[in-house]
Amino acid sequence: GQQLNQSPQSMFIQEGEDVSMNCTSSSIFNTWLWYKQDPGEGPVLLIALYKAGELTSNGRLTAQFGITRKDSFLNISASIPSDVGIYFCAGQGEDSNYQLIWGAGTKLIIKP
Amino acid sequence: KAGVTQTPRYLIKTRGQQVTLSCSPISGHRSVSWYQQTPGQGLQFLFEYFSETQRNKGNFPGRFSGRQFSNSRSEMNVSTLELGDSALYLCASSVSSYNEQFFGPGTRLTVL
Repeated sequence: GQQLNQSPQSMFIQEGEDVSMNCTSSSIFNTWLWYKQDPGEGPVLLIALYKAGELTSNGRLTAQFGITRKDSFLNISASIPSDVGIYFCAGQGEDSNYQLIWGAGTKLIIKP
Repeated sequence: KAGVTQTPRYLIKTRGQQVTLSCSPISGHRSVSWYQQTPGQGLQFLFEYFSETQRNKGNFPGRFSGRQFSNSRSEMNVSTLELGDSALYLCASSVSSYNEQFFGPGTRLTVL
Protein backbone atom coordinates (compact mmCIF):
# COMPACT_ATOMS: atom_id res chain seq x y z
CA GLY A 1 0.00 0.00 0.00
CA GLN A 2 0.93 3.63 -0.25
CA GLN A 3 3.18 4.97 2.48
CA LEU A 4 4.37 8.38 3.57
CA ASN A 5 7.70 8.89 5.28
CA GLN A 6 7.78 12.14 7.27
CA SER A 7 11.00 13.47 8.76
CA PRO A 8 12.33 14.43 11.12
CA GLN A 9 10.25 12.77 13.82
CA SER A 10 10.97 15.67 16.21
CA MET A 11 12.94 18.89 16.21
CA PHE A 12 14.37 20.97 19.04
CA ILE A 13 14.88 24.53 17.88
CA GLN A 14 15.73 27.93 19.26
CA GLU A 15 13.21 30.72 18.89
CA GLY A 16 14.03 32.64 15.73
CA GLU A 17 15.46 29.67 13.86
CA ASP A 18 14.20 28.48 10.50
CA VAL A 19 12.64 25.00 10.38
CA SER A 20 12.42 22.52 7.56
CA MET A 21 10.57 19.20 7.36
CA ASN A 22 9.61 16.92 4.51
CA CYS A 23 7.51 14.02 3.39
CA THR A 24 8.23 11.41 0.75
CA SER A 25 5.84 8.90 -0.72
CA SER A 26 6.30 5.52 -2.33
CA SER A 27 4.11 6.55 -5.26
CA ILE A 28 2.99 9.63 -7.17
CA PHE A 29 0.64 11.99 -5.35
CA ASN A 30 -1.80 14.49 -6.83
CA THR A 31 -2.37 16.49 -3.67
CA TRP A 32 -0.22 17.43 -0.69
CA LEU A 33 -1.66 18.93 2.48
CA TRP A 34 0.13 20.24 5.55
CA TYR A 35 -1.58 20.39 8.94
CA LYS A 36 -0.62 21.54 12.43
CA GLN A 37 -2.06 20.01 15.58
CA ASP A 38 -1.96 21.57 19.03
CA PRO A 39 -2.30 19.29 22.09
CA GLY A 40 -5.83 17.96 22.57
CA GLU A 41 -7.16 19.64 19.42
CA GLY A 42 -7.88 18.58 15.86
CA PRO A 43 -5.35 19.28 13.10
CA VAL A 44 -5.67 22.61 11.32
CA LEU A 45 -4.99 22.89 7.61
CA LEU A 46 -2.00 25.14 6.89
CA ILE A 47 -1.28 24.78 3.19
CA ALA A 48 -2.72 22.78 0.27
CA LEU A 49 -0.73 21.97 -2.88
CA TYR A 50 -2.17 20.62 -6.12
CA LYS A 51 0.48 20.96 -8.80
CA ALA A 52 4.03 19.60 -9.20
CA GLY A 53 6.53 22.36 -8.49
CA GLU A 54 3.91 24.53 -6.78
CA LEU A 55 5.29 26.77 -4.03
CA THR A 56 2.75 28.27 -1.63
CA SER A 57 3.18 30.53 1.39
CA ASN A 58 1.00 31.18 4.40
CA GLY A 59 2.65 33.88 6.50
CA ARG A 60 5.99 32.51 7.73
CA LEU A 61 5.17 29.07 6.34
CA THR A 62 6.14 27.94 2.86
CA ALA A 63 5.42 24.55 1.33
CA GLN A 64 6.40 23.03 -1.98
CA PHE A 65 5.02 20.19 -4.10
CA GLY A 66 8.07 18.27 -5.33
CA ILE A 67 8.76 18.02 -9.07
CA THR A 68 8.81 14.23 -8.90
CA ARG A 69 5.31 14.34 -7.29
CA LYS A 70 6.63 11.99 -4.62
CA ASP A 71 7.67 14.55 -2.03
CA SER A 72 6.77 17.80 -0.32
CA PHE A 73 8.55 20.23 1.98
CA LEU A 74 7.38 22.62 4.68
CA ASN A 75 9.55 25.47 5.88
CA ILE A 76 8.89 27.78 8.81
CA SER A 77 10.91 30.95 9.00
CA ALA A 78 11.89 32.75 12.21
CA SER A 79 10.10 30.33 14.54
CA ILE A 80 8.13 31.67 17.50
CA PRO A 81 6.80 29.86 20.61
CA SER A 82 3.32 29.36 19.15
CA ASP A 83 4.83 27.27 16.33
CA VAL A 84 5.22 24.43 18.84
CA GLY A 85 3.04 21.47 17.96
CA ILE A 86 2.89 18.49 15.66
CA TYR A 87 2.99 19.00 11.91
CA PHE A 88 1.45 16.39 9.65
CA CYS A 89 1.71 15.95 5.93
CA ALA A 90 -1.03 14.16 4.01
CA GLY A 91 -1.51 13.34 0.38
CA GLN A 92 -3.74 11.70 -2.16
CA GLY A 93 -2.27 9.37 -4.75
CA GLU A 94 -3.50 8.48 -8.19
CA ASP A 95 -4.78 5.11 -7.03
CA SER A 96 -5.80 5.93 -3.46
CA ASN A 97 -9.55 5.99 -4.15
CA TYR A 98 -9.48 9.57 -2.81
CA GLN A 99 -8.29 8.41 0.61
CA LEU A 100 -5.80 10.72 2.33
CA ILE A 101 -2.52 9.05 3.30
CA TRP A 102 -0.93 10.54 6.44
CA GLY A 103 2.63 10.98 7.62
CA ALA A 104 3.49 10.12 11.24
CA GLY A 105 4.08 13.77 12.15
CA THR A 106 6.98 16.05 13.09
CA LYS A 107 6.94 17.32 16.66
CA LEU A 108 8.35 20.83 16.98
CA ILE A 109 9.75 21.80 20.38
CA ILE A 110 11.25 25.17 21.28
CA LYS A 111 14.35 24.97 23.47
CA PRO A 112 13.99 27.06 26.62
CA LYS B 1 -19.60 29.38 8.58
CA ALA B 2 -19.55 27.05 11.59
CA GLY B 3 -16.73 24.51 11.74
CA VAL B 4 -16.90 20.79 12.31
CA THR B 5 -18.47 19.95 15.65
CA GLN B 6 -18.07 16.76 17.62
CA THR B 7 -20.00 15.57 20.62
CA PRO B 8 -19.30 14.74 23.29
CA ARG B 9 -15.84 16.26 23.80
CA TYR B 10 -14.95 13.88 26.62
CA LEU B 11 -16.24 10.43 27.49
CA ILE B 12 -15.35 7.84 30.10
CA LYS B 13 -16.54 4.26 29.64
CA THR B 14 -15.67 0.87 31.07
CA ARG B 15 -14.51 -2.22 29.24
CA GLY B 16 -17.27 -4.11 27.48
CA GLN B 17 -19.53 -1.09 27.07
CA GLN B 18 -20.36 0.47 23.75
CA VAL B 19 -20.14 4.11 22.70
CA THR B 20 -21.52 6.37 19.98
CA LEU B 21 -19.75 9.52 18.88
CA SER B 22 -21.32 12.22 16.75
CA CYS B 23 -19.94 14.55 14.09
CA SER B 24 -21.63 17.46 12.34
CA PRO B 25 -19.70 18.53 9.24
CA ILE B 26 -19.32 22.02 7.82
CA SER B 27 -22.46 23.05 5.98
CA GLY B 28 -22.29 21.88 2.37
CA HIS B 29 -19.65 19.23 3.03
CA ARG B 30 -20.74 15.75 2.01
CA SER B 31 -17.71 13.69 2.96
CA VAL B 32 -16.96 12.75 6.56
CA SER B 33 -13.87 10.82 7.65
CA TRP B 34 -13.09 9.38 11.06
CA TYR B 35 -9.64 8.90 12.58
CA GLN B 36 -8.25 7.42 15.78
CA GLN B 37 -5.25 9.06 17.41
CA THR B 38 -3.49 7.51 20.40
CA PRO B 39 -0.92 9.45 22.47
CA GLY B 40 2.17 10.21 20.46
CA GLN B 41 0.76 8.52 17.38
CA GLY B 42 -0.34 9.78 14.04
CA LEU B 43 -3.79 9.58 12.60
CA GLN B 44 -5.15 6.10 11.97
CA PHE B 45 -7.91 6.13 9.36
CA LEU B 46 -11.14 4.43 10.40
CA PHE B 47 -13.59 5.08 7.55
CA GLU B 48 -15.00 7.68 5.21
CA TYR B 49 -18.59 8.34 4.28
CA PHE B 50 -19.85 10.23 1.27
CA SER B 51 -23.55 10.75 0.58
CA GLU B 52 -24.51 8.15 3.21
CA THR B 53 -22.23 5.48 1.68
CA GLN B 54 -19.06 4.13 3.20
CA ARG B 55 -16.44 4.80 0.54
CA ASN B 56 -13.23 3.82 2.29
CA LYS B 57 -12.41 1.73 5.32
CA GLY B 58 -9.23 1.38 7.37
CA ASN B 59 -7.84 -1.68 9.10
CA PHE B 60 -9.93 -1.71 12.24
CA PRO B 61 -11.95 -4.61 13.66
CA GLY B 62 -15.66 -4.89 13.06
CA ARG B 63 -16.34 -3.46 16.53
CA PHE B 64 -15.83 -0.07 14.88
CA SER B 65 -18.71 0.99 12.69
CA GLY B 66 -20.21 4.18 11.39
CA ARG B 67 -22.99 5.70 9.41
CA GLN B 68 -23.93 8.94 7.73
CA PHE B 69 -27.33 10.54 7.61
CA SER B 70 -29.00 12.41 4.77
CA ASN B 71 -27.97 15.74 6.30
CA SER B 72 -24.32 14.53 6.19
CA ARG B 73 -24.07 14.24 9.96
CA SER B 74 -22.17 11.12 10.92
CA GLU B 75 -21.90 8.82 13.89
CA MET B 76 -19.36 6.20 14.77
CA ASN B 77 -19.97 3.35 17.16
CA VAL B 78 -17.53 1.18 19.06
CA SER B 79 -18.93 -1.94 20.65
CA THR B 80 -17.39 -4.09 23.38
CA LEU B 81 -14.87 -1.44 24.36
CA GLU B 82 -11.29 -2.46 25.15
CA LEU B 83 -8.66 -0.54 27.12
CA GLY B 84 -6.74 0.01 23.88
CA ASP B 85 -9.66 1.95 22.43
CA SER B 86 -8.77 4.90 24.65
CA ALA B 87 -7.87 7.62 22.17
CA LEU B 88 -8.77 10.93 20.60
CA TYR B 89 -11.34 10.30 17.88
CA LEU B 90 -11.27 12.91 15.17
CA CYS B 91 -13.83 13.66 12.54
CA ALA B 92 -13.01 15.60 9.37
CA SER B 93 -15.29 16.90 6.67
CA SER B 94 -14.67 17.92 3.09
CA VAL B 95 -16.75 19.07 0.16
CA SER B 96 -16.09 15.78 -1.58
CA SER B 97 -13.66 12.93 -1.22
CA TYR B 98 -10.84 14.61 -3.11
CA ASN B 99 -10.89 17.95 -1.30
CA GLU B 100 -9.10 19.33 1.74
CA GLN B 101 -10.31 17.91 5.05
CA PHE B 102 -11.29 20.14 7.96
CA PHE B 103 -11.16 18.66 11.43
CA GLY B 104 -13.32 18.93 14.49
CA PRO B 105 -11.85 19.26 18.00
CA GLY B 106 -12.17 15.52 18.62
CA THR B 107 -13.76 13.34 21.27
CA ARG B 108 -11.42 12.13 23.99
CA LEU B 109 -12.51 8.59 24.93
CA THR B 110 -11.13 6.96 28.04
CA VAL B 111 -11.86 3.27 28.66
CA LEU B 112 -11.35 2.07 32.24
